[in-house]
Amino acid sequence: KAGVTQTPRYLIKTRGQQVTLSCSPISGHRSVSWYQQTPGQGLQFLFEYFSETQRNKGNFPGRFSGRQFSNSRSEMNVSTLELGDSALYLCASSLARTGVTDTQYFGPGTRLTVL
Amino acid sequence: AQSVAQPEDQVNVAEGNPLTVKCTYSVSGNPYLFWYVQYPNRGLQFLLKYITGDNLVKGSYGFEAEFNKSQTSFHLKKPSALVSDSALYFCASLYGGSQGNLIFGKGTKLSVKP
Repeated sequence: KAGVTQTPRYLIKTRGQQVTLSCSPISGHRSVSWYQQTPGQGLQFLFEYFSETQRNKGNFPGRFSGRQFSNSRSEMNVSTLELGDSALYLCASSLARTGVTDTQYFGPGTRLTVL
Repeated sequence: AQSVAQPEDQVNVAEGNPLTVKCTYSVSGNPYLFWYVQYPNRGLQFLLKYITGDNLVKGSYGFEAEFNKSQTSFHLKKPSALVSDSALYFCASLYGGSQGNLIFGKGTKLSVKP
């Protein structure tokens, strides 16, 4: 069974631009969560989706948004990029409705660099 | 404020010795607690979780963690360390129920020397 895939793996943008990252969960998984990892702030939870509905959200500004499609694939969007948005963005999928309390399987991440 | 603390930035252990990676939490209500491991170039992996029940939780790769409510701790342990256990370990806690916010500690780098 294929793992969680994230595209693109690497991305370079400039301040003020917007970016969309994609995550395809493991087949059959309906919960997708997103995380940001930076050297300064560490790992931070962004949001979680289940059956196309955002179920919970971390403490990030409204520039960070996401969505989930009927096939469980998820996208996250960051508008008006700032230098501080440079990070590794991780996506995780899980089988159960309980999402983050279930065993999560992580993708390799998308490395975003904002210049 | 809700928080998770990993007091050690790095833990050094000799192969074959027991290891402990410490974690303390400060969350309201009943905590859901997790350990994750991030191997170099291999991404983040789920190790184990405590939701309710037995205070000793067993997870992947021979790791276990002990939930101690009075000390608000959830230390990760392994009886005999392997060089391949060298990685970055994160403790996390979910507050606000199963649909709440997941907060992570800063991470502890474990180095196991042969």
